Amino acid sequence: QKEVEQNSGPLSVPEGAIASLNCTYSDRGSQSFFWYRQYSGKSPELIMFIYSNGDKEDGRFTAQLNKASQYVSLLIRDSQPSDSATYLCAVRNNRYGKLTFGQGTILTVHP
Amino acid sequence: GAVVSQHPSRVICKSGTSVKIECRSLDFQATTMFWYRQFPKQSLMLMATSNEGSKATYEQGVEKDKFLINHASLTLSTLTVTSAHPEDSSFYICSASQQSTDTQYFGPGTRLTVL
Repeated sequence: QKEVEQNSGPLSVPEGAIASLNCTYSDRGSQSFFWYRQYSGKSPELIMFIYSNGDKEDGRFTAQLNKASQYVSLLIRDSQPSDSATYLCAVRNNRYGKLTFGQGTILTVHP
Repeated sequence: GAVVSQHPSRVICKSGTSVKIECRSLDFQATTMFWYRQFPKQSLMLMATSNEGSKATYEQGVEKDKFLINHASLTLSTLTVTSAHPEDSSFYICSASQQSTDTQYFGPGTRLTVL
């Protein structure tokens, strides 16, 4: 079992729809959870981080964490073509420690 | 804030030569920097963790004598790929951990092509 698993996609949604990206992790000691967006040929950029169970909202993005189920998700509301990218879930099990990345989910938002 | 730069952005070199890549945190002090490698259509793979003033910690399977890492100051880490070969061609990305926010920020990456 991979440490961090994501659906590789591609996930295709129409413009204006909600895109839902999912991630599961195997280490119950994981403490910090991150979502990064990576455009083709570019490095990852941080979208959100979440530490506590529940939802965290930032603009069109909502991260959801359920530690009991070892599950973290990212919802993108009002999806735009510019949201088309690979979304990487990353998990860290101690403060300042290394991140373990999932393989990424390719999202395509079509007009 | 939290800007990380890398230099060069792209480098092409001959097989057998060494290449140095710089990673700088421009507006914060980074006690820890990380070096990743990413092959096409694959996720990021951590190569090593670099702490200022101490030896880097390498991930399993990464040759420390081939990938030399130096973290001489709180704003600069360097990765030197020694005796590069075509299979070392990849996208090398650094990140810096901002202690106050406990978050890693990535540099723009360096695309290395070894002929």
